[in-house]
Amino acid sequence: AQKITQTQPGMFVQEKEAVTLDCTYDTSDPSYGLFWYKQPSSGEMIFLIYQGSYDQQNATEGRYSLNFQKARKSANLVISASQLGDSAMYFCAMREGRGGATNKLIFGTGTLLAVQP
Amino acid sequence: ETGVTQTPRHLVMGMTNKKSLKCEQHLGHNAMYWYKQSAKKPLELMFVYSLEERVENNSVPSRFSPECPNSSHLFLHLHTLQPEDSALYLCASSQDASGLAGGYEQYFGPGTRLTVT
Repeated sequence: AQKITQTQPGMFVQEKEAVTLDCTYDTSDPSYGLFWYKQPSSGEMIFLIYQGSYDQQNATEGRYSLNFQKARKSANLVISASQLGDSAMYFCAMREGRGGATNKLIFGTGTLLAVQP
Repeated sequence: ETGVTQTPRHLVMGMTNKKSLKCEQHLGHNAMYWYKQSAKKPLELMFVYSLEERVENNSVPSRFSPECPNSSHLFLHLHTLQPEDSALYLCASSQDASGLAGGYEQYFGPGTRLTVT
């Protein structure tokens, strides 16, 4: 079974509007971390935001926020006030267990976001 | 200085060639990773090094040989590759925080686009 599921292969959004990118995960470990990365066409994976499984509040970083619904095992990324530069692939990832030497990240298949002027 | 650099950015090699990919991190991290990103597939973790010791090898064929001479440098030596090895190879680094909670997000380089002919 897939550990990380991103069901939206592609999304369009108008500039200045908000957009939600979906991510669901599957784990039996009570301790885990959820990450979102952005990959522009240049190839580099850019870290955006992190949510720990024990965090009480949803993570926010500037225009990015993570809508963490633990019972539903979902960790959706919300981008507010979209900009043209937000056009990229977005990957959800999970680390099971506490941070450690392996710190293995499991990635989803990604969502391609296109911001339209 | 950019956090994680990779050279070369593009590489075309024949199946009988030997080449090496280089990764360097300037973030003071002590764990480094190699990932393979093929078209329409999730990122695949290949190798993990922590404190210059290999701590994970995800069943990668022996034609890929990693080397970590110090905590700032990571190499991937390539020999007798196959066309299906064509992909984007990404290097990442993070803090190794064994047994501790927290994000310890991985920071990625821009990748090497490898084409095997």
